[in-house]
Amino acid sequence: EAQVTQNPRYLITVTGKKLTVTCSQNMNHEYMSWYRQDPGLGLRQIYYSMNVEVTDKGDVPEGYKVSRKEKRNFPLILESPSPNQTSLYFCASSLVGTRGYEQYFGPGTRLTVT
Amino acid sequence: RKEVEQDPGPFNVPEGATVAFNCTYSNSASQSFFWYRQDCRKEPKLLMSVYSSGNEDGRFTAQLNRASQYISLLIRDSKLSDSATYLCVVFPSGSARQLTFGSGTQLTVLP
Repeated sequence: EAQVTQNPRYLITVTGKKLTVTCSQNMNHEYMSWYRQDPGLGLRQIYYSMNVEVTDKGDVPEGYKVSRKEKRNFPLILESPSPNQTSLYFCASSLVGTRGYEQYFGPGTRLTVT
Repeated sequence: RKEVEQDPGPFNVPEGATVAFNCTYSNSASQSFFWYRQDCRKEPKLLMSVYSSGNEDGRFTAQLNRASQYISLLIRDSKLSDSATYLCVVFPSGSARQLTFGSGTQLTVLP
């Protein structure tokens, strides 16, 4: 089954404790992306990757890191989480080209930073 | 001005009603347009692409007006199961060749 998986689905942590949210896709997509979703603000892109070892900042990259060592995986790293990073996070993947392609989203990770 | 703007609603309509949403975008160079559906705090899923000539998929009709820079979604004969948030998506938007999501329009279909 074609899918994007994220782990963990729910996470409660404390300020400053490093964490990683994993994302994996089995569709051989070149493009992967992380979004956060907050009430009234919609989906905002954090980072994206056009292919292995190619990553770039989205609209709200501060406080986050990513890596793309393998095509299927695109982990999101919060080195020192803060309460303003409490949010619902989605990973997505798609083909890449001259037009926008359908984004396949993971089920989401609900993060609470106290 | 936001790159993609939607009326957040909520739109509360009775079953069987016809409802329409608009979405405006700021980048006249945008090439591709989509409507996604998101159920309560779940992942967004593609509902339909929007083609220049307009397109239909069952009870759903999408249209693009490039001159006025907006896209629309029309839902006929609303069902309870249509209750969701509808996200307008534009590509590319801004200097980066990325998708930009609107903040969504919430629809509740009432029995």
